[in-house]
Amino acid sequence: GQQLNQSPQSMFIQEGEDVSMNCTSSSIFNTWLWYKQDPGEGPVLLIALYKAGELTSNGRLTAQFGITRKDSFLNISASIPSDVGIYFCAGPYAGGTSYGKLTFGQGTILTVHP
Amino acid sequence: GAVVSQHPSRVICKSGTSVKIECRSLDFQATTMFWYRQFPKQSLMLMATSNEGSKATYEQGVEKDKFLINHASLTLSTLTVTSAHPEDSSFYICSATRDPTDEQYFGPGTRLTVT
Repeated sequence: GQQLNQSPQSMFIQEGEDVSMNCTSSSIFNTWLWYKQDPGEGPVLLIALYKAGELTSNGRLTAQFGITRKDSFLNISASIPSDVGIYFCAGPYAGGTSYGKLTFGQGTILTVHP
Repeated sequence: GAVVSQHPSRVICKSGTSVKIECRSLDFQATTMFWYRQFPKQSLMLMATSNEGSKATYEQGVEKDKFLINHASLTLSTLTVTSAHPEDSSFYICSATRDPTDEQYFGPGTRLTVT
């Protein structure tokens, strides 16, 4: 499958700080998805992006679908301890639309110090 | 909501034995279920796609005779790890979807340890 390069690999921040992470690909994606995984749990969808240039918010989370269709970023504002977890970007295989078979980025491990 | 459960949540088995993991969609009918494998602090790797009533489609490099998948009903898919070895120890996660182009809902995962 296609590779998604996600960075940074890990982040250690203080409560209240803003966080930014991004995902890039050498291939075009028609959908970008951002998930959060708590320890010992399955991923939960945070934000789905379907259109190039789209900027979508979900509470303190904001994500954008890059205009080139090859990248996306996720911002978390005013972080709180429960934001701790692994954040993954994902997209459908081989130019597929919507969901279907998904390929995931390597993940960003977020630690928030109170 | 759309809830997916997995059973067991943790299992320890001896090398050479087989272990079955169940994935259930509790409040919707899932035409398609996906099975992923995740090593510690790594990404999810898709193993196979399971459609109700038909044979599973395996990703390249995944041994279909070792990882048997059955999707006998619209709410249940099973993954059987046959003749398990320590290198099969991993976190196995399933997801389910009403439609192949619809959102996938993930189960809580099963931690398999092979001794």
